[in-house]
Amino acid sequence: EAGVAQSPRYKIIEKRQSVAFWCNPISGHATLYWYQQILGQGPKLLIQFQNNGVVDDSQLPKDRFSAERLKGVDSTLKIQPAKLEDSAVYLCASSSRGTATNEKLFFGSGTQLSVL
Amino acid sequence: QKEVEQDPGPLSVPEGAIVSLNCTYSNSAFQYFMWYRQYSRKGPELLMYTYSSGNKEDGRFTAQVDKSSKYISLFIRDSQPSDSATYLCAMKISSNTGKLIFGQGTTLQVKP
Repeated sequence: EAGVAQSPRYKIIEKRQSVAFWCNPISGHATLYWYQQILGQGPKLLIQFQNNGVVDDSQLPKDRFSAERLKGVDSTLKIQPAKLEDSAVYLCASSSRGTATNEKLFFGSGTQLSVL
Repeated sequence: QKEVEQDPGPLSVPEGAIVSLNCTYSNSAFQYFMWYRQYSRKGPELLMYTYSSGNKEDGRFTAQVDKSSKYISLFIRDSQPSDSATYLCAMKISSNTGKLIFGQGTTLQVKP
């Protein structure tokens, strides 16, 4: 079974520039998550999709972050404009059973963003 | 105060040792508890999933939940160098949410 694919692997930008990350979940997984992991911290949920609809985006800084999941498969996360504090690893995860009690999240390897 | 507290370590042990990793939490509404393992430059991988209080064993790994103390633990028996990684505890309030609250992770090194 192929895992969650993310690209790019690394990205370095200057503050105020824009950046986009791409995620391809495991085939057939209806639920997709974007998490932000700042160095030395645990991941924090940014947004959750169920198919192509948003379930939870309460922690997404909507003034600069946006995400979409067209056709309920691939997803992109965009930051515009980037700030220094956005430097982090952006992890995409997917699961097959949505919010079931024993759902298992499969994480990609992440995109490491450095904002200079 | 963070919702989930976890000692970041690092924790260094000799091969074969028993490792104890712990998290405390403040929100008594948490019902589901997980342990993830994260290797360097990789995403987290689910190790253990428990509901409510009690113990759960899977091979060399044992997860314990004590809801009365708001305390969860992961024990690793006969630790191996391949266990060297960051261990993250995570928890959630109910079954109808996909939002996990993670601890900051404990870095473990098992020396041959």
